Amino acid sequence: GESVGLHLPTLSVQEGDNSIINCAYSNSASDYFIWYKQESGKGPQFIIDIRSNMDKRQGQRVTVLLNKTVKHLSLQIAATQPGDSAVYFCAEADTGGFKTIFGAGTRLFVKA
Amino acid sequence: SAVISQKPSRDICQRGTSLTIQCQVDSQVTMMFWYRQQPGQSLTLIATANQGSEATYESGFVIDKFPISRPNLTFSTLTVSNMSPEDSSIYLCSVEGTGGNYYGYTFGSGTRLTVV
Repeated sequence: GESVGLHLPTLSVQEGDNSIINCAYSNSASDYFIWYKQESGKGPQFIIDIRSNMDKRQGQRVTVLLNKTVKHLSLQIAATQPGDSAVYFCAEADTGGFKTIFGAGTRLFVKA
Repeated sequence: SAVISQKPSRDICQRGTSLTIQCQVDSQVTMMFWYRQQPGQSLTLIATANQGSEATYESGFVIDKFPISRPNLTFSTLTVSNMSPEDSSIYLCSVEGTGGNYYGYTFGSGTRLTVV
């Protein structure tokens, strides 16, 4: 079946460095992709999304890149801060954004 | 984006009993979703709940075990029935995004359930 997975389960970066979190998806029919951040004891928080007709989208300190050829998604966080420490999930969704499938998650540690 | 209040935030329950989790949204939404997040794992969709119709359950989840109510456009409940320790998880509700640019789902803070 379709699945969304992550290459790295944990990532440790130095404060101020850039972070890159990767994700692979398997359903080529998915047309909407989302990154979420989940802090301990909280629900996932929407970070940024991208539709399949785009290959890059930028937000505040975050950039999502989509490579449909190899079904790869990445989240780049610029100037990583201690507050960025969390688990990050990629997710894919069908048209309209329903029935989201979540990846396994990557835990980001930011070292001061 | 919508603000979701989910209750209870946590509970410890005896096996064989049932727990009803409530999800209240501060705006009207068409679709509400219930997820399960087992310890240290990702989120798995349990069911989609539309107001005025029966919930649609994902593979591996059945209505007898996880009955859902959706009485109006701002409220839903999920019941975890006849609980066993394997039901110990975080249960989250979420709602669709809004606006012309899709903002993705908003999630409640979750209900941490421990079954003993």
